[in-house]
Amino acid sequence: ETGVTQTPRHLVMGMTNKKSLKCEQHLGHNAMYWYKQSAKKPLELMFVYSLEERVENNSVPSRFSPECPNSSHLFLHLHTLQPEDSALYLCASSQEARAYEQYFGPGTRLTVT
Amino acid sequence: GESVGLHLPTLSVQEGDNSIINCAYSNSASDYFIWYKQESGKGPQFIIDIRSNMDKRQGQRVTVLLNKTVKHLSLQIAATQPGDSAVYFCAENSHGNQFYFGTGTSLTVIP
Repeated sequence: ETGVTQTPRHLVMGMTNKKSLKCEQHLGHNAMYWYKQSAKKPLELMFVYSLEERVENNSVPSRFSPECPNSSHLFLHLHTLQPEDSALYLCASSQEARAYEQYFGPGTRLTVT
Repeated sequence: GESVGLHLPTLSVQEGDNSIINCAYSNSASDYFIWYKQESGKGPQFIIDIRSNMDKRQGQRVTVLLNKTVKHLSLQIAATQPGDSAVYFCAENSHGNQFYFGTGTSLTVIP
């Protein structure tokens, strides 16, 4: 195990639902990341939180809303998603000064129906 | 923009043989490169990294080669084992927290 956990592991939701993905890291890191992994596409960085402040937002639609209440927890709130948002959502963490050494969670497989 | 690509989407090797996975990048300012391994149902796992001031770096059964002239990166796995079956990604970074990932090569080890 990498020390990064994600729940749920699988999620099926309708386009009108609201759900949240949770990530927790037990590594004492102070930076956390959300990535989207779609089939046959490169891993896409969505958001970065460093020292609990959002430092990156890569043109992600507003139907994705991140929240970082403390350095150990990261959430991704989802609402009115589209079928093309179906993907594996990966959380990662690192020390802020060592962004090259990221530890990934197992991901949440999201299906939007 | 950035682009990081892999030459082959799939690779099959016999157990015990050496594997070579290739990656091309386009940003000449990239100064840090990482190889990740992703097994089915898991997130990417760091394998080995290399900085642009190096040409070669070795780990346990893995070697990364960097050719900055042609912007090419390779991962060599010695004596490939069934547990090496996974998708392998390269990633590059030129500044900050932003890494650009390739699409991945799926390695299958044939017993």
